[in-house]
Amino acid sequence: QKEVEQNSGPLSVPEGAIASLNCTYSDRGSQSFFWYRQYSGKSPELIMSIYSNGDKEDGRFTAQLNKASQYVSLLIRDSQPSDSATYLCAVNMIQTGANNLFFGTGTRLTVIP
Amino acid sequence: EAQVTQNPRYLITVTGKKLTVTCSQNMNHEYMSWYRQDPGLGLRQIYYSMNVEVTDKGDVPEGYKVSRKEKRNFPLILESPSPNQTSLYFCASSYSGDEQFFGPGTRLTVL
Repeated sequence: QKEVEQNSGPLSVPEGAIASLNCTYSDRGSQSFFWYRQYSGKSPELIMSIYSNGDKEDGRFTAQLNKASQYVSLLIRDSQPSDSATYLCAVNMIQTGANNLFFGTGTRLTVIP
Repeated sequence: EAQVTQNPRYLITVTGKKLTVTCSQNMNHEYMSWYRQDPGLGLRQIYYSMNVEVTDKGDVPEGYKVSRKEKRNFPLILESPSPNQTSLYFCASSYSGDEQFFGPGTRLTVL
C-alpha cells in the first residue's frame, strides 16, 4: 500500500470552474499536510500547509483536512490556465521516528481556456 | 533572496565516474534533504539531515552518500553512478522538516 495516494489524472476543468484534488494517506498519526504545485520542468513550490481538521483558505486555494478519514484535499476556485500544473500532496509521517515528508505521485491539472 | 541552489543543473556522465551535486541554502535552515523524481514514482527521499554532522537514510539511499559539514551545504555524492540513477534530483531545506523549499533541480543522465 502506498503511503500517500493521489489520482494521477489528468484532471481537466474549464477556466473559472472549481478544481478538486484529493489525497489519502496511510499513517494515522500524521500531523502535517502540504500541497505543492509543480510546473513542467520546474521544482515543487509550496502553496498550502494544513495542520488541523477543517478548512484553510488562502486566496483561491482551500485545503481541507479530515484526519479521521485520513484524507486531505485542495480546492482551486476560479481556475485559471496558469493553474495548469501537477499538484503534489505531501504528508509528514512520524512512523519512521523522523520528521520526513512523503509525497504522492501527483495529479496533473489542465485548465482549459 | 531566500533560495536553495544546486549545481550543476544538468549533467551527463558515464557509468562509474564519481560525481558530486552541490546544494546550498541561505535561509539558515536546520533541515536539508535530497530527493529523486522519476515518472510514475513521484518524489522519493534519498537522504536527509536534521543538523550539522547529522544525516540519515531516506527511502532510496543505495548508491548515494551525503555529508553535512556546514549548515548551509548538503552535497550529494554518487561514487560509482549507474544508469538506474538517471533521474531528476532535488535538494530541499526547511526549519524543521515540515514546509520544505526546493532547489531548481539537477537532471542527471548516466550512460
